[in-house]
Amino acid sequence: DSGVTQTPKHLITATGQRVTLRCSPRSGDLSVYWYQQSLDQGLQFLIQYYNGEERAKGNILERFSAQQFPDLHSELNLSSLELGDSALYFCASSPQVGTGVGLRANEQFFGPGTRLTVL
Amino acid sequence: EDKVVQSPLSLVVHEGDTVTLNCSYEVTNFRSLLWYKQEKKAPTFLFMLTSSGIEKKSGRLSSILDKKELSSILNITATQTGDSAIYLCAVEAISGTYKYIFGTGTRLKVLA
Repeated sequence: DSGVTQTPKHLITATGQRVTLRCSPRSGDLSVYWYQQSLDQGLQFLIQYYNGEERAKGNILERFSAQQFPDLHSELNLSSLELGDSALYFCASSPQVGTGVGLRANEQFFGPGTRLTVL
Repeated sequence: EDKVVQSPLSLVVHEGDTVTLNCSYEVTNFRSLLWYKQEKKAPTFLFMLTSSGIEKKSGRLSSILDKKELSSILNITATQTGDSAIYLCAVEAISGTYKYIFGTGTRLKVLA
């Protein structure tokens, strides 16, 4: 158990709908990352938040958005869902301790994932 | 375009064998390279390699970063069935913002 929790575990919805995935990082971790893993694409980095602010952005679609709240939990919102959005969505957290510009990535602890199925 | 390529895609070995997994990368402003092991679900961290730490070892696993060749290898000696997993390589780079690029992984199966 990594200490990172994700809800829900499974989610089945229809095309065009909107869903929210939730992640609670390990106690004390300030940084949260979101990843998408599908069979044909492998693990894709979506976005990272550090202490409430967006820190890094990857291949995240405009239909997707995320935020990190003052209590450090994070939500990933997926809207106008398409069949191709079906995937396993992972959240990870890390302490992300650093100074000034150029924060170094520390070990990322992954949650168990949310499996999204779009019908 | 930034990319991370892992090879082989898949391999099957017998218990006790030694395996070497490869990861090569082409990224702008390399920061670090990370290895993960993914069994049934979530990846678990193995090593992080940076310019100041190009070799890491933990038990039967070891990894080396070759900044000149833009590559890394992950060695597993005396393999066990519990080593069966997908091994992921990821590179942290900075291009305006930080980003993490993952390879597609190497699937390792260790037979008893």
